Amino acid sequence: SQTIHQWPATLVQPVGSPLSLECTVEGTSNPNLYWYRQAAGRGLQLLFYSVGIGQISSEVPQNLSASRPQDRQFILSSKKLLLSDSGFYLCAWSVATSGASYEQYFGPGTRLTVT
Amino acid sequence: GQNIDQPTEMTATEGAIVQINCTYQTSGFNGLFWYQQHAGEAPTFLSYNVLDGLEEKGRFSSFLSRSKGYSYLLLKELQMKDSASYLCAVIDSNYQLIWGAGTKLIIKP
Repeated sequence: SQTIHQWPATLVQPVGSPLSLECTVEGTSNPNLYWYRQAAGRGLQLLFYSVGIGQISSEVPQNLSASRPQDRQFILSSKKLLLSDSGFYLCAWSVATSGASYEQYFGPGTRLTVT
Repeated sequence: GQNIDQPTEMTATEGAIVQINCTYQTSGFNGLFWYQQHAGEAPTFLSYNVLDGLEEKGRFSSFLSRSKGYSYLLLKELQMKDSASYLCAVIDSNYQLIWGAGTKLIIKP
């Protein structure tokens, strides 16, 4: 069966510090991978998605970046955090396909507080 | 622009039935998902509709009308554990998921 891991579960970082959140998927090959952010009481905002190694699409211009160094590894980074970067960060995966749609499966999330 | 509307919050009684509505205006349509999200946790998949009509899964059912840009999630025999947010998401013509802000459902004994 497939599983998705995210770490850390919670993180408190000062403004201006760097960030690195990691997500890995097991039990599937060549998944589509996604990073979302959810502000308190709000919906999901898609930040990045990837259809393969080294292929990253950015949905929202900001001070965050993403990388996919391996097939089942997705990393979210920032060089300098802003207060507005606080939120609940979710990684998700879906079956890779063209012309069809499949549900996305979410990791447990990382709650980031920027102080 | 693309827009998905859901009520912000609903309250229902344990054992009752509740219907959560979702209306959407998107560039194309390739399916609609409903997810459940408990506070502080990740969303989990509930249902998927791509054709008009009702899909039933145990206590949960989801309905879709593509001509009206409308869906609802029906929860029967409500239990306290059903207290959660329910997210509606539509797949647009580019096969991207557009998410609603979610409906917080409060179940009272």
